[in-house]
Amino acid sequence: AQSVTQLGSHVSVSEGALVLLRCNYSSSVPPYLFWYVQYPNQGLQLLLKYTSAATLVKGINGFEAEFKKSETSFHLTKPSAHMSDAAEYFCAVSEGNTPLVFGKGTRLSVIA
Amino acid sequence: EAGVVQSPRYKIIEKKQPVAFWCNPISGHNTLYWYLQNLGQGPELLIRYENEEAVDDSQLPKDRFSAERLKGVDSTLKIQPAELGDSAVYLCASSRGGNGETQYFGPGTRLLVL
Repeated sequence: AQSVTQLGSHVSVSEGALVLLRCNYSSSVPPYLFWYVQYPNQGLQLLLKYTSAATLVKGINGFEAEFKKSETSFHLTKPSAHMSDAAEYFCAVSEGNTPLVFGKGTRLSVIA
Repeated sequence: EAGVVQSPRYKIIEKKQPVAFWCNPISGHNTLYWYLQNLGQGPELLIRYENEEAVDDSQLPKDRFSAERLKGVDSTLKIQPAELGDSAVYLCASSRGGNGETQYFGPGTRLLVL
């Protein structure tokens, strides 16, 4: 069964600094991988999705993630953090016709 | 295009009372999901519908939880009776299909059981 591990329940960065949120997955078949963002009292919003078309996936709001099969990783990055990026970020994996399995989330704080 | 609509947004009830949540998916989305999100955790699937059919309800606590999706559009999730441990956010999501399709989430219903 597929699973997701997000390293670091809380990450704090300065405004303008690099954002790196880590995600490692376990899957027996080529997976679909997702990053979602959740702002307080809101539902989840899709940031980006990997579907095997390209290993580097660009998403909304300047975020991108790179699929590395050898490392079973799908880390999320953004070159320069903005105050509005403060939120909860979830990595998720699906093996196609299986339920989406989410990590426990990483809370990103951005310090002015 | 309207997003996934959920109501109510917040609900406070006493334990042992019943409660129901409603979800209207994005138009044209055949697949509908109900998730449970506990504080500080990622969402966990409760049930998945393909049109009117519940194709995955293995994680739904059937002794107290029930769900329906009449006519393959709107869906209702019910808890009867509610317990203190049911306090959480209940998220509804929809997608065009089930195979790796992007799921679009509603704002959720925050339930507090006293």
